Parts: sequence; structure tokens; C-alpha cells
Amino acid sequence: SQQGEEDPQALSIQEGENATMNCSYKTSINNLQWYRQNSGRGLVHLILIRSNEREKHSGRLRVTLDTSKKSSSLLITASRAADTASYFCATDEAGSYQLTFGKGTKLSVIP
Amino acid sequence: DGGITQSPKYLFRKEGQNVTLSCEQNLNHDAMYWYRQDPGQGLRLIYYSQIVNDFQKGDIAEGYSVSREKKESFPLTVTSAQKNPTAFYLCASSPRTGGANVLTFGAGSRLTVL
Repeated sequence: SQQGEEDPQALSIQEGENATMNCSYKTSINNLQWYRQNSGRGLVHLILIRSNEREKHSGRLRVTLDTSKKSSSLLITASRAADTASYFCATDEAGSYQLTFGKGTKLSVIP
Repeated sequence: DGGITQSPKYLFRKEGQNVTLSCEQNLNHDAMYWYRQDPGQGLRLIYYSQIVNDFQKGDIAEGYSVSREKKESFPLTVTSAQKNPTAFYLCASSPRTGGANVLTFGAGSRLTVL
């Protein structure tokens, strides 16, 4: 099945800076979600954006979706050391409810 | 508190042995899933179940088996037929089988083959 691809694979920033991660996918989707995973733990849902939405905010998170380019970005503003984790995008293709996950972006926030 | 409980957290297995990973949820979710995670490869779907007594193969079902006898439980058996079972296994559940499918994950089980 098709898989989203996150970019970059790894990102290291200083505390207080903004972090931007990108996700590209291959086919038409219903929704796109972002999840976070702390090392050695399960994933936690962060935010969902529907295919008819272009931007969504949740606290320090901002997600954009460009269906014409089949891409999404996740922006974390004013990053904190506690934001250090891997971030995954997940898509459900049109006509399917199964989620397909990308390989993730590993974010390191340096205090 | 509602959630998903996976056990054991760590499991060691000798080659040729079957092992069963437990997954229990008290969220009253209809759908449950098993994913495998390897370094650098993201999550891959093994099996999923939309309803009790029914389940479907995911992308990498070979060498695995599941059952769904109760709504709350979805155990995964890693059989000796799985050639490379060392991995991190994640169980998840969701309340719906259509529309926006937001998953709740357990903490994972790490299986190591000796």
C-alpha cells in the first residue's frame, strides 16, 4: 500500500525555535493525521486535517495540507525540549479506512 | 482511565517458538489493529479487526495469527514461520471503521529472538 514520506528524516533545533516537518503522499486521501512517538513508546494522535481543509491549528501546532501537491506540513512553534520525539504522518486513502504511516521525522530539541 | 494495555513490554524468544502478545482495550472501540515497527521503516500493518470474530490481513500478515473472540481483546501470535520477528509491536484501536479513523495506541511490546 502507498506510504507517506516525511522530510527531513531527522531535525535538530534549539529550544525556542520553530520546527517544520513535511509529508508527501501518493494517492487521493480522505484525511491526513500527525502522530508523535516518544522513544520506545506508543504513538499519540496530535491533529487531523480533512482533505477539504487547507490549514488547522492546535495549540503550538499548525498543519497545512495541499492536495494538489499531495503534501502536508507540521509546524511546531516555540519548541521545547519536551517536544523531542519522532513525528509521523498517516493517511487514509479515498475509499479505505486503513491508515498508512510514513517513516517519520526524528526531532531533537536542544535545551 | 481508559486505554490500551499491551503485555509483556519485553519478550525474548528462542528460534522456533511461538509467542503471543496481549492487547486489551477498555475504550469500547470496535476496531483493533496490530502494527510492526522496525528502525527506519515506520509502521506496517499486520492484521486488523473491525468486529468480534472477524479480522483481515494487513500488508505483512505472513507468519502471524490473531483472534478476536471478545471486543476488548486482540492477541497476536508470532509463529515460528515468521522469519525475522525481532521488532517493536504496537496495538491500536479506533471507535469507527469508516470516516476519520483516529487511532489510540498501546505502549508497545518489544520482541527479541535469541
